Amino acid sequence: GEDVEQSLFLSVREGDSSVINCTYTDSSSTYLYWYKQEPGAGLQLLTYIFSNMDMKQDQRLTVLLNKKDKHLSLRIADTQTGDSAIYFCAESIRNTGKLIFGQGTTLQVKP
Amino acid sequence: DAGVIQSPRHEVTEMGQEVTLRCKPISGHDYLFWYRQTMMRGLELLIYFNNNVPIDDSGMPEDRFSAKMPNASFSTLKIQPSEPRDSAVYFCASSPSNRGGGQFFGPGTRLTVL
Repeated sequence: GEDVEQSLFLSVREGDSSVINCTYTDSSSTYLYWYKQEPGAGLQLLTYIFSNMDMKQDQRLTVLLNKKDKHLSLRIADTQTGDSAIYFCAESIRNTGKLIFGQGTTLQVKP
Repeated sequence: DAGVIQSPRHEVTEMGQEVTLRCKPISGHDYLFWYRQTMMRGLELLIYFNNNVPIDDSGMPEDRFSAKMPNASFSTLKIQPSEPRDSAVYFCASSPSNRGGGQFFGPGTRLTVL
């Protein structure tokens, strides 16, 4: 069945770049997503990429997609303390509207 | 747009009581999803609706859980009777279509069953 895997924890220093990785299993996924969850809040859609793209950049965020390896990454440039949160990767299930979420990566940004 | 609205934001109840969680999706969104989030099990999809019709309820844990969507602007998730293991944060999300664009989450209801 469909599955999405992420590492659980990443710690970086303020000003460094953060790279959060994700692998997924459903090769027919048409969209892949990154969400951010801050403490006590819901999931916030950060960005998404269509499966026929290799890269998408949005200000400090860069998404890279390797469809052959089913690998997705989120790079945050110049990471700030406000970026500390849990980041979820998700893949869409074709023609259903459903998303399969990873278990989330906790990003800790040290000053 | 106000985004997805959930109420109440916090609910504390005693075991055996009925709990009703409410959700107003973003206007114009055809899909509505109910999720549960716990430390142990992460984010779980409970049920989702398309145009007010339940499509997949395979994630609903037991018969104690039920969900309805009487119209395009309102949905409820009911637990009866509630148990301590139901304690979690329950999220509602809505989506405009099944062709990308993502799901938009509400702030969640934190349920504590004593």
